[in-house]
Amino acid sequence: NAGVTQTPKFRILKIGQSMTLQCAQDMNHNYMYWYRQDPGMGLKLIYYSVGAGITDKGEVPNGYNVSRSTTEDFPLRLELAAPSQTSVYFCASSSFAVGEQFFGPGTRLTVL
Amino acid sequence: QQQVKQSPQSLIVQKGGIPIINCAYENTAFDYFPWYQQFPGKGPALLIAIRPDVSEKKEGRFTISFNKSAKQFSLHIMDSQPGDSATYFCAASYNSGGSNYKLTFGKGTLLTVNP
Repeated sequence: NAGVTQTPKFRILKIGQSMTLQCAQDMNHNYMYWYRQDPGMGLKLIYYSVGAGITDKGEVPNGYNVSRSTTEDFPLRLELAAPSQTSVYFCASSSFAVGEQFFGPGTRLTVL
Repeated sequence: QQQVKQSPQSLIVQKGGIPIINCAYENTAFDYFPWYQQFPGKGPALLIAIRPDVSEKKEGRFTISFNKSAKQFSLHIMDSQPGDSATYFCAASYNSGGSNYKLTFGKGTLLTVNP
């Protein structure tokens, strides 16, 4: 099993550009999450999903959108990128609502 | 806002030492307390977790101590090794409604174990 995969690994965007961060898992997990990690700030939940077709906002959803059309995929869309969205983004999945979350390797995004 | 306060921000110990990382929370609705370990350039990985019905849990060299009345929990690493050098995050989970649970993370502790 590949676990949780994320693409791309690195990306530089110009202010105002848009992009989609891809996340896929092959563990048949219902629960999927997007976090951002800023230096010294821990991980902040952006959006999460409890199953295909169901998504909800986390702590810091502004400037982001998600969709969940399949169990495997949970892409994160950035519209009109801003320097404040410079961060490392992690996707995670879990089989239960409470329990171990499996994280992907992350996408390092820089907005200039 | 749900918060988990973690300290210290960084910690340096010698090989064989016992680093201790502390976390405190306010919301008594938290009912699951995991610790995650993160190496540079990698995603976090679950290290050990505890529920509030027990005061201590050990897995190998890692121990969580939980004090429900004080709303504090801590991670102890016995016989620490240079390979334990990483960033450690405490977290707490609460029910945000229905079957939805959210993890709130502390800000992390950068542990360095010198040889």
